[in-house]
Amino acid sequence: DAGVTQSPTHLIKTRGQQVTLRCSPISGHKSVSWYQQVLGQGPQFIFQYYEKEERGRGNFPDRFSARQFPNYSSELNVNALLLGDSALYLCASSLDVRTLGATQYFGPGTRLLVL
Amino acid sequence: TQLLEQSPQFLSIQEGENLTVYCNSSSVFSSLQWYRQEPGEGPVLLVTVVTGGEVKKLKRLTFQFGDARKDSSLHITAAQPGDTGLYLCAGVAGGNTPLVFGKGTRLSVIA
Repeated sequence: DAGVTQSPTHLIKTRGQQVTLRCSPISGHKSVSWYQQVLGQGPQFIFQYYEKEERGRGNFPDRFSARQFPNYSSELNVNALLLGDSALYLCASSLDVRTLGATQYFGPGTRLLVL
Repeated sequence: TQLLEQSPQFLSIQEGENLTVYCNSSSVFSSLQWYRQEPGEGPVLLVTVVTGGEVKKLKRLTFQFGDARKDSSLHITAAQPGDTGLYLCAGVAGGNTPLVFGKGTRLSVIA
């Protein structure tokens, strides 16, 4: 079975632009989470979605938004990009939907560079 | 805010050596996970520990969860170049809270 897939793999944007990142979870997983990993840091939780509903949100500004589709895939949108948004954006899916901290299976990430 | 401190930040050793990396916090975690991340890839789950004092072994890797569930360690025996990567610990504080990650230990095993 395929793991979590993300697209695109790399992206270069300029300040002020908007970006959309995409994620498909492992087949059978209904929960999708998004994390931001800045160089030299561990991943930081942004959102979790289950059944198209937001179940949790980390300490990120409103410029960050996400949604989940009926097929459980998800998009992360970031508006008004700042240089500090440059990071590896990781999507993770989970089979256990009872808690935000359930075991996560990560995709390869999308590396975003904001110039 | 629950913080996970990992040490050391960087570790470079020769093939065949043993090593231990640590993950410490002042907070109690209901479970703790260890991941390995290689360049250009997402973290890959190695193990989840949930019981204070629990020890789990995965081939040459031994994971321990502290009795008070505030700390954990990862011991690698006879390290190999394939063990090279970023080792991340991540904890769940309990209730409906998300994973909190440490900054990781970057391990380099030289042949």
